[in-house]
This record gives sequence, structure tokens and C-alpha cells, in this order.
Amino acid sequence: RKEVEQDPGPFNVPEGATVAFNCTYSNSASQSFFWYRQDCRKEPKLLMSVYSSGNEDGRFTAQLNRASQYISLLIRDSKLSDSATYLCVVSRTGNQFYFGTGTSLTVIP
Amino acid sequence: GAVVSQHPSWVICKSGTSVKIECRSLDFQATTMFWYRQFPKQSLMLMATSNEGSKATYEQGVEKDKFLINHASLTLSTLTVTSAHPEDSSFYICSASHLGTLAGTGELFFGEGSRLTVL
Repeated sequence: RKEVEQDPGPFNVPEGATVAFNCTYSNSASQSFFWYRQDCRKEPKLLMSVYSSGNEDGRFTAQLNRASQYISLLIRDSKLSDSATYLCVVSRTGNQFYFGTGTSLTVIP
Repeated sequence: GAVVSQHPSWVICKSGTSVKIECRSLDFQATTMFWYRQFPKQSLMLMATSNEGSKATYEQGVEKDKFLINHASLTLSTLTVTSAHPEDSSFYICSASHLGTLAGTGELFFGEGSRLTVL
């Protein structure tokens, strides 16, 4: 079983829509959780860390469910500029990182 | 925030030559750096974990004699693609972990990537 499972999509949504991505992880010892964004032909960049209490940054909300071992990312009021691949990353220690395959999002005018 | 710099951004070489890619952590010390390869429209694939002062740990299926990794200092890791062939053409990305103030809260910072084209 993969360490991190993520629906690759693609997700094609109209501008203004709300879209949610989920990601599951297999190892309950995982400690840190992140969402990264990767634009085409660019390196991944940290979008937000995910905390047990959930966290929100503008239109983006991330949540962690340790009991069910999944993390989620919610994007409200989608913009064209949100089109990218969103990577779920799980860390067991500071030096072990596991990636999901990434979810492709295209926001359509 | 922490910055990881990668050089060169683009490289075109002839088949059979070797190419070196550098990855530097600019404002923090990274005992561990990671090297990835990404083919078009595919996900990142971890190639190896580079440990300062010791041998790199390679993922299954990655040839250690072809992809030489050296992590000589806390701020520099290099990946050398030896005797490159067209099938090695890819986007190579490095990353380094910057530990936060709490154990286990480190996040990854990525270099800008190096696009290798082997003719």
C-alpha cells in the first residue's frame, strides 16, 4: 500500500466554484502534513501546512483527520490562477517525506 | 523563508557526456537533501536521499553508479548524471528539509529545478 494516496483528477471546475481534494496516508506515526502547489514546469511550493485543529488561509482551508488518516484541502471561490497540481505531502520525521501523486486542477472561465 | 537554490536551470548536452547539478540551501543548514525526477505530466519521483558526510540512499530502481550524489557540506549537494542518454532527459528537482522549532514539523523547500535535455 502506498504511503500517501491522492486522487489524480483532473478536476475541471468553473470560476467561483468550491473544490475539495482529499488525501489519505497509511502510517499512523506520520507527524506533519502539507499541501504543496506545483505549476507546470516549476518546482512545488508550499501552500499550507495542515494542523490538527484545521487552518485557513483566505480561500484555502486545510483539515486533518488523524482517526481516519486523511487530510483535505478546500478551495472556495476558485480563480483561474488556482489552476495547478496540488501535492499532498506527509512527513514521519523531519527527514522522511512522502508525496501523493498530485491532483490536477483546472479552473475554467 | 528558507531558500534552496538549484543550478543550472537548463542544460542541453550530447549523449554520453556527464552533467552536474548543484543544490544549495542558502540560509539554513541541511543535513539531508532529496533528489527527484519528474517526467512530463507525471508526479515527482524520489530518486535518492542525500546525507551530509555519508553515502546517499537510493530508491529502488535508481542506478547509483549513473546518478552520483555528493553531499560534501551542510549547504551543498550535487547530482551528477553520468554518461547521459536521451532517456535521462527530465526535470530534476532537489529539496531540503528545514526543521521548525518543534520536532517533526520540518517542511520541504524545493530548488527551482533543472531541465536536462540529452541530444
